[in-house]
Amino acid sequence: QVQLVQSGAEVKKPGSSVRVSCKASGGTFNTYSITWVRQAPGEGLEWMGGIVPMFGSTTYQQRFQGRLTITADKSTTTAHMQLSSLTSEDTAVYYCATSGAFYLGQLDYWGQGTLVTVSS
Amino acid sequence: DIQMTQSPSTLSASVGDRVTITCRASQSVTGWLAWYQHKPGTAPKLLIYKTSTLESGVPSRFSGSGSGTDFTLTVTSLQPDDFATYYCQQYDSSSSFGQGTKVEIK
Repeated sequence: QVQLVQSGAEVKKPGSSVRVSCKASGGTFNTYSITWVRQAPGEGLEWMGGIVPMFGSTTYQQRFQGRLTITADKSTTTAHMQLSSLTSEDTAVYYCATSGAFYLGQLDYWGQGTLVTVSS
Repeated sequence: DIQMTQSPSTLSASVGDRVTITCRASQSVTGWLAWYQHKPGTAPKLLIYKTSTLESGVPSRFSGSGSGTDFTLTVTSLQPDDFATYYCQQYDSSSSFGQGTKVEIK
């Protein structure tokens, strides 16, 4: 059973960057992928990208290319999502999730979500 | 990118109703299709993966079917706890979600 615990809420200025953390426990961190999903107010779920620590490989949704960076620290079993050049449209709840397996697939386990507010 | 289109966007139903939500992909996703239930203030919950495999602990009134580009989520007898928003997700090529279907009380 995998558990994911995310870092706390953030308030950021337009043009800045935000880094959200996702601490994993249970299972073997190196053997499962981590995906990031967000939900803006009044909107649906949006798949952003993911990482497979076993291979060190990342996949990003095209629209986030260039300003999204997903990393994984095996020593602390923590994944990080950094989003730069923030605008008000990036205000959302950000979730980390995993399939519990090495591929980026269905999402069996979820973090509790982190609210990121972008406001001047 | 593969686009996922759900219908309807909103569905009004009563307890005990049979409910069907459809999801259409812009190209074949070869069966790599999942369904989630999402309630406000909580994380989404996986219901079904690989088109029709029920996640452990999910009631058997939920079922999934389909192939290629067209998929369906069916709830045979809607319960009070089932009023929520439902999303499909393809994970054949990268990944993407449908826009969601809100199931509300009639």
